[in-house]
Amino acid sequence: GQNIDQPTEMTATEGAIVQINCTYQTSGFNGLFWYQQHAGEAPTFLSYNVLDGLEEKGRFSSFLSRSKGYSYLLLKELQMKDSASYLCAVIDSNYQLIWGAGTKLIIKP
Amino acid sequence: DTGVSQNPRHKITKRGQNVTFRCDPISEHNRLYWYRQTLGQGPEFLTYFQNEAQLEKSRLLSDRFSAERPKGSFSTLEIQRTEQGDSAMYLCASSSILGQKTPLRGANVLTFGAGSRLTVL
Repeated sequence: GQNIDQPTEMTATEGAIVQINCTYQTSGFNGLFWYQQHAGEAPTFLSYNVLDGLEEKGRFSSFLSRSKGYSYLLLKELQMKDSASYLCAVIDSNYQLIWGAGTKLIIKP
Repeated sequence: DTGVSQNPRHKITKRGQNVTFRCDPISEHNRLYWYRQTLGQGPEFLTYFQNEAQLEKSRLLSDRFSAERPKGSFSTLEIQRTEQGDSAMYLCASSSILGQKTPLRGANVLTFGAGSRLTVL
């Protein structure tokens, strides 16, 4: 079967750094997305990785290791508005998008 | 363009009634997706269209669910004889497969609407 694993919930402090991990077992791999979803709102695109390595975009960075079936999203200089769920999604060999259940990130002052 | 628009935003209905949701995608996007999401879960794929053609439908989708995109623009999702288990957020997303305009190596980035929340009593 296909599986995406993410921690259910994480807590971090404003101004700090947090790393949200995602491991996947899918039938093939054609890329990995990270989306942010605030409570009651739609998911919004954050990043896309298809090659190994780190992609940096402002305060957010995403890393991929295809051999390990592993990705992480790194959030720096945390702000209260970063409190949200972070969804990892993988494109499999059939170009289907397989979603994780999301990680709820709670930022404390 | 104001993004992907969905309505109604909220719908409360009694079990057994039919409901219909509408999605207006980003105008230049040729792909339209329907997902269902429950609390604490990721989006669950229901179906997708490329222009007016419905190319795929989830095997998890019962016959009570039907979606249309008659002119390749807006889409409707109808649920007949609703059940309490249908209570969820129904998300619509659109995308373009014109990869040459994206720096993401042709990745199909989805733009989601705000969703239609269904409560079945």
